[in-house]
Amino acid sequence: SAVISQKPSRDICQRGTSLTIQCQVDSQVTMMFWYRQQPGQSLTLIATANQGSEATYESGFVIDKFPISRPNLTFSTLTVSNLSPEDSSIYLCSTDEGRRGGSYNEQFFGPGTRLTVL
Amino acid sequence: AQSVTQLDSQVPVFEEAPVELRCNYSSSVSVYLFWYVQYPNQGLQLLLKYLSGSTLVKGINGFEAEFNKSQTSFHLRKPSVHISDTAEYFCAVITGGGNKLTFGTGTQLKVEL
Repeated sequence: SAVISQKPSRDICQRGTSLTIQCQVDSQVTMMFWYRQQPGQSLTLIATANQGSEATYESGFVIDKFPISRPNLTFSTLTVSNLSPEDSSIYLCSTDEGRRGGSYNEQFFGPGTRLTVL
Repeated sequence: AQSVTQLDSQVPVFEEAPVELRCNYSSSVSVYLFWYVQYPNQGLQLLLKYLSGSTLVKGINGFEAEFNKSQTSFHLRKPSVHISDTAEYFCAVITGGGNKLTFGTGTQLKVEL
């Protein structure tokens, strides 16, 4: 299974600033995913990031607000820009180990980054 | 579009009692189903998954779930819970051939002495 780490684990930021979250996987993976978990709510997929191509964003999420980088097969960053209190959430990255025989396996999640915007 | 419904937002239960956490999904195509657990201030951990084959799936920590296609359900069960099972439980689905997880709203399991 993939082991995923995230930095920072938590941060408190001022309104209008930006926060970049790093996600490191201990093996090379094709796809990485970024999720948002707002307080008391479930996880919502922000975007899918494949190495060597632009990230694919879900409805309601835009690149200007959530730019993503994927410079290699083990690393990705998510930036949350122009922060507002509504951005206070836990942000999680995940990856799957790729598909074998056409079947979907599972996603492994990082520990999350808890962001509070004042 | 796929969706997941977890009707119970909170489930209180006494230690050593059985528990069932309900999950229903909506999809017109084949699905893969998952249960994840999130302990306080931690990330998500996979409990079990259904991809194909036997409809009764056994996972970690004594949990199991049964895929019921006719009822479009994937309820999670444990015959005897422990205080350490207190956590948030998320049901998730992905339609065959896709790669995007859709999560339910979660069920907070609180085990009391």
